[in-house]
Amino acid sequence: QKEVEQDPGPLSVPEGAIVSLNCTYSNSAFQYFMWYRQYSRKGPELLMYTYSSGNKEDGRFTAQVDKSSKYISLFIRDSQPSDSATYLCAMSKTAGNKLTFGGGTRVLVKP
Amino acid sequence: GAGVSQSPSNKVTEKGKDVELRCDPISGHTALYWYRQSLGQGLEFLIYFQGNSAPDKSGLPSDRFSAERTGGSVSTLTIQRTQQEDSAVYLCASSLEQGRVETQYFGPGTRLLVL
Repeated sequence: QKEVEQDPGPLSVPEGAIVSLNCTYSNSAFQYFMWYRQYSRKGPELLMYTYSSGNKEDGRFTAQVDKSSKYISLFIRDSQPSDSATYLCAMSKTAGNKLTFGGGTRVLVKP
Repeated sequence: GAGVSQSPSNKVTEKGKDVELRCDPISGHTALYWYRQSLGQGLEFLIYFQGNSAPDKSGLPSDRFSAERTGGSVSTLTIQRTQQEDSAVYLCASSLEQGRVETQYFGPGTRLLVL
C-alpha cells in the first residue's frame, strides 16, 4: 500500500462548479502538505502549501488538512476550463525534505 | 527570471546504453531534487542535493543510477545499462534553501524511452 493515496479520476465537472479533491495518507510523521497542478507535458507547479492541520484559502483555492483523520482536501471554486489538469497532493515530514506524492487526479472542466 | 531547465526534453535509447540527464536549477537555489514520474508509480523521489553534497540518496532504485552536482549549480543524473523499466519522465526541482519545502520549483522534465 502506498503512503499517499489519491483517486486517479478523471473528474469531470461543468464550468463554474466546485472541484473537490482529496488524499489520504498513512504516515503520521507528515507535517507539510502541498497541492501541485500539472498540465500535460509540463512540470508540477505549486498551488497551495499548508503546515500541520487547518485551512488555507488563496483566491479560488482552499486547502484543508485534518491530521487526526490523515486526510487532506483541495477545493476549487468557480472552476474554469483552464483548471483542467492533473492535481497532485504532496507531503513532507520536515521542511526541506523530499516530497512524497499521491498518484494525481485528472480534472476536466467542461465549458 | 529563468526557471528550472532540463535537457534533453526527450531521449530515446536502446536497452543497455548509458544516458545522462541534465538539470539547470534556478540561479541561487542551493537545494536540488530529482524525481521520476511513471504511469505505474506516480511521482517518486530519487535524490536530493544541498550544495554539492547529497545527504539523501534513498530514492535511487539501483546502483545503475547516480547523480552529481558541480559548483552548487548544474546537476547530472546518469543511468547506466538502461532497462525498459527506466522509461519515465525525470523531473528536477530546485529550492532557494534547505528548510523551504514550499518553494520547490520543477522543471519541464526529460522524457526517457528505453527500447
